[in-house]
Amino acid sequence: KAGVTQTPRYLIKTRGQQVTLSCSPISGHRSVSWYQQTPGQGLQFLFEYFSETQRNKGNFPGRFSGRQFSNSRSEMNVSTLELGDSALYLCASSSGRGGNGQYFGPGTRLTVT
Amino acid sequence: QKEVEQNSGPLSVPEGAIASLNCTYSDRGSQSFFWYRQYSGKSPELIMSIYSNGDKEDGRFTAQLNKASQYVSLLIRDSQPSDSATYLCAVIGGSEKLVFGKGTKLTVNP
Repeated sequence: KAGVTQTPRYLIKTRGQQVTLSCSPISGHRSVSWYQQTPGQGLQFLFEYFSETQRNKGNFPGRFSGRQFSNSRSEMNVSTLELGDSALYLCASSSGRGGNGQYFGPGTRLTVT
Repeated sequence: QKEVEQNSGPLSVPEGAIASLNCTYSDRGSQSFFWYRQYSGKSPELIMSIYSNGDKEDGRFTAQLNKASQYVSLLIRDSQPSDSATYLCAVIGGSEKLVFGKGTKLTVNP
């Protein structure tokens, strides 16, 4: 099976802009979760989608949003970018509610200047 | 108290030795526990999952869970230089979110 794919792999944006990241889960996986990883904070949970519904949300401002499509592909949007949003954004998929373990994509490296 | 805590390390062991990585968690209702390995510049890779008290072995890796002590560990036997990475402990608690520790950096010296 193909793994989790994320596009784009690298992005450079300026403050105030918005960005959309895309994630395609492993075939058959219906749960997609998004994480932000920074050296200081480690892996921080953003949100989880299952069958097009947001099932869980982390402690991030409303500038961070997401959605999931009927084919389980997911997008994450960050509006009004801030310098502190520079991070590695990781998508992970699982077959169920995550209890089976999550499988990560390669990530999108976002740099905000 | 942080939800999932790990010693940040770095932990350095000689090749062939046993590396022991530890993790504690705060949510007593947690039911699912995972270990991920993350090489520098790469994304985390799931290497072990454990759900019941006791030991679970997979090749050179053994995960140990003690729910009464809220403690989960990972032992790597016959450590190899290729095991050098950051190891992340992750727990699913009552919130049903996967919560990660900050990771322990392991270096295996040839």
